[in-house]
Parts: sequence; structure tokens; C-alpha cells
Amino acid sequence: EAQVTQNPRYLITVTGKKLTVTCSQNMNHEYMSWYRQDPGLGLRQIYYSMNVEVTDKGDVPEGYKVSRKEKRNFPLILESPSPNQTSLYFCASSFLGGTQYFGPGTRLTVL
Amino acid sequence: KQEVTQIPAALSVPEGENLVLNCSFTDSAIYNLQWFRQDPGKGLTSLLLIQSSQREQTSGRLNASLDKSSGRSTLYIAASQPGDSATYLCAVKVYSGGGADGLTFGKGTHLIIQP
Repeated sequence: EAQVTQNPRYLITVTGKKLTVTCSQNMNHEYMSWYRQDPGLGLRQIYYSMNVEVTDKGDVPEGYKVSRKEKRNFPLILESPSPNQTSLYFCASSFLGGTQYFGPGTRLTVL
Repeated sequence: KQEVTQIPAALSVPEGENLVLNCSFTDSAIYNLQWFRQDPGKGLTSLLLIQSSQREQTSGRLNASLDKSSGRSTLYIAASQPGDSATYLCAVKVYSGGGADGLTFGKGTHLIIQP
């Protein structure tokens, strides 16, 4: 089944403790992206990747890192999480210019 | 900077009605426009993708139109059903540049279909 998977789905952590949210797609898509969704602000892009080893900042990249060492994986790294990074995170993938497919979301709480 | 607005923010209608959701965007130089559905606590499901050269797309009871020059799109839902209750999101993709292939989202229309 074609899908985008994210892990973990739910995470509660404390300020400053490094964490990684994984994202994987099995559709051979070149493009992958991370979004965060917050009440009243909607969905905003954090980082994106056009292909392996090619990444760039979206609208709200501060406090986040990404890497794209393999085509199928695009992990989101929070080196020192803070409470303002409490949010619902989505990974998405697509062929360039095509329909974007979203993962199920990761709900992150930073205490 | 591209801004996407969706009206109304919330809508409640009886089952069986036909309804229209509206989306407007400020920069008409878009690459495509996509409509999504989001159920509570769930991810986004793509409903329809309209390329900039197209005027409309149809899938089952859904029809989406695009008027690039006026910066508008509508999502028409025919014969609404309780299972259509969800939040509907409109998103546009602009041409290359910062955020290439990234989507700019509206804040959504929360739709409730009353049985």
C-alpha cells in the first residue's frame, strides 16, 4: 500500500531533550516536506527536500533540522525542544508538481 | 507573500443539500491548487488537484473549479452526507523560489452535515 508513515504518533518530552520524528514514504517520491499545524495558524511548512541531499527552509524553520540521506526517509530533528514547538506535525511527499500525500501526524508536547 | 483565505470558517447544513466552499488566494501565479479533507485527529487526505492550466476537476460528488485570474477556487459537494463532515482545506503551490513545491494552506472550513 502506498503510504507515508511517521513515528512516533504521540510524544511527550521535556525542554531541551533532543528528539527525532521519522518519516518514510514508499512511493519513490522526490519531494518531501514537514509541516506543523497549530490552532488559529493553520498548516505551515518547516523544511522541504527536492531530492536526496537537497534540503531547504520553509516558512518556520527555527529550532528544527532535517536530513535526506535516502530517498524514502526524511527525519525531523529537534535538537533542543521548547514548549513553543508543541504542535501537530505532518510529513508529506509527492512527485515534483504532483499531488502531495500526507502522513498520519505526530502530536508533540514539550513540557 | 501568498495568502489563502477560506470562507466560511464553519458551516452546518442538513443532509442532502448541495453546498459550496470558497477559497481565495492573493497571488495568481500558482502552479496548482489542491483540496484536502482532514478528519479530527487525523492526517490530510487529498481530494482534488487542479493544475494552473485547468478550470475544474471532478471526483464523484465533488467538483472543484479554479479561476486563476480572480484568485478563486470553489469546492462543490453534491447531495451531502453525514460522512462528509470534516474540515476542508485549500492549498496552493506557487512557482519555484523559496518553498518550491511547498503548499500555502488556508485555515479551513469546518463542515458539519446534520443527519
